[in-house]
Amino acid sequence: DSGVTQTPKHLITATGQRVTLRCSPRSGDLSVYWYQQSLDQGLQFLIQYYNGEERAKGNILERFSAQQFPDLHSELNLSSLELGDSALYFCASSVGSGRSYEQYFGPGTRLTVT
Amino acid sequence: GEDVEQSLFLSVREGDSSVINCTYTDSSSTYLYWYKQEPGAGLQLLTYIFSNMDMKQDQRLTVLLNKKDKHLSLRIADTQTGDSAIYFCAERSYGGSQGNLIFGKGTKLSVKP
Repeated sequence: DSGVTQTPKHLITATGQRVTLRCSPRSGDLSVYWYQQSLDQGLQFLIQYYNGEERAKGNILERFSAQQFPDLHSELNLSSLELGDSALYFCASSVGSGRSYEQYFGPGTRLTVT
Repeated sequence: GEDVEQSLFLSVREGDSSVINCTYTDSSSTYLYWYKQEPGAGLQLLTYIFSNMDMKQDQRLTVLLNKKDKHLSLRIADTQTGDSAIYFCAERSYGGSQGNLIFGKGTKLSVKP
């Protein structure tokens, strides 16, 4: 158990809908990262927050957005869902923001868009 | 841009050593990681190495780094059936305070009894 929690574990929804994925980092970690894992693209970095502020953006679609709240939990919002958005979404956390900090991953949320 | 490559499959017999290889392109990478993913589970951090090191050993795991060839390997000694999983190599992206990981596609390790 990494100490990172994600809810829900599974989510099934229809195209065009909007969903929110939630992540609670390990106690004491200030940085949260979101990754998407799909069969064709592999593991791809989406976005990073550090202490409530956006720190880095990866291959995140405009239909997707995220935020980190004062209690440091984070939410990833996915809207106008398409079949291709079906994937495993992972959250990771680390103490700091730079390259020297290990990232610990949550168990993931499996999103199925039908 | 940065890229990380791994072979997709590796099959070994229980008790043998497994060697999983990885190449990366970012010469400024200073931290390289190995993660393990079991079916239906998240990514478990196994070990990592700093670029000023050539080797790191942690129980049954040995990481070797060849900076000149940008080649990283993970050796698992006395491989067990419980080691069957997908192993991901990852590097940190270049750039200041950014810390996101760049992952390879993963190597699926199958351990035959």
